[in-house]
Amino acid sequence: AQKVTQAQTEISVVEKEDVTLDCVYETRDTTYYLFWYKQPPSGELVFLIRRNSFDEQNEISGRYSWNFQKSTSSFNFTITASQVVDSAVYFCALTGDNQGGKLIFGQGTELSVKP
Amino acid sequence: NAGVTQTPKFRVLKTGQSMTLLCAQDMNHEYMYWYRQDPGMGLRLIHYSVGEGTTAKGEVPDGYNVSRLKKQNFLLGLESAAPSQTSVYFCASSLLLGLRYNEQFFGPGTRLTVL
Repeated sequence: AQKVTQAQTEISVVEKEDVTLDCVYETRDTTYYLFWYKQPPSGELVFLIRRNSFDEQNEISGRYSWNFQKSTSSFNFTITASQVVDSAVYFCALTGDNQGGKLIFGQGTELSVKP
Repeated sequence: NAGVTQTPKFRVLKTGQSMTLLCAQDMNHEYMYWYRQDPGMGLRLIHYSVGEGTTAKGEVPDGYNVSRLKKQNFLLGLESAAPSQTSVYFCASSLLLGLRYNEQFFGPGTRLTVL
């Protein structure tokens, strides 16, 4: 069975601090795909990144970076120099080649960035 | 290009009433999904479709039915609404490209209250 665990329910930081959101996954699929989504207070779900299991290269996009570690089944998300606009709920999600495209979501981490 | 749209945005039902939620996408995506989001539980898959005329059960299908008569539309029906179905419902679609699963694009959500 597939599972995604986001152990941090809520995180509160002060603006300009760095913050890391943890994501640990379980899957039996050989090929799988990991995603991060952002849900700001307005409620929509915004896609941030997709990582394929066969590509372990870490990625940086501006203040955002992702650390994919197959050995520890983790796909952590770091925001550098956080801003108030980063306040949102962040979801990690997983699917695999044997899942018919079904995404399994973690429970989400609510990030609050205070000025 | 509107992406994924959902109708209606809000709805209040009485227990036992029925309704249909409409999802439409204009991206020619094969896959479509219906999720529900409840506080502290992330997003849970209700039903999904891998193509026109096909549907399959997700994690929490009881009390819901779906239909995909046209590739661009995915309907979610509640035959006899119950208070436990009070939730925010999200529709999503994705493209299967070269047997690799791509990110899902989400609609804005429908907030449903069942009294």
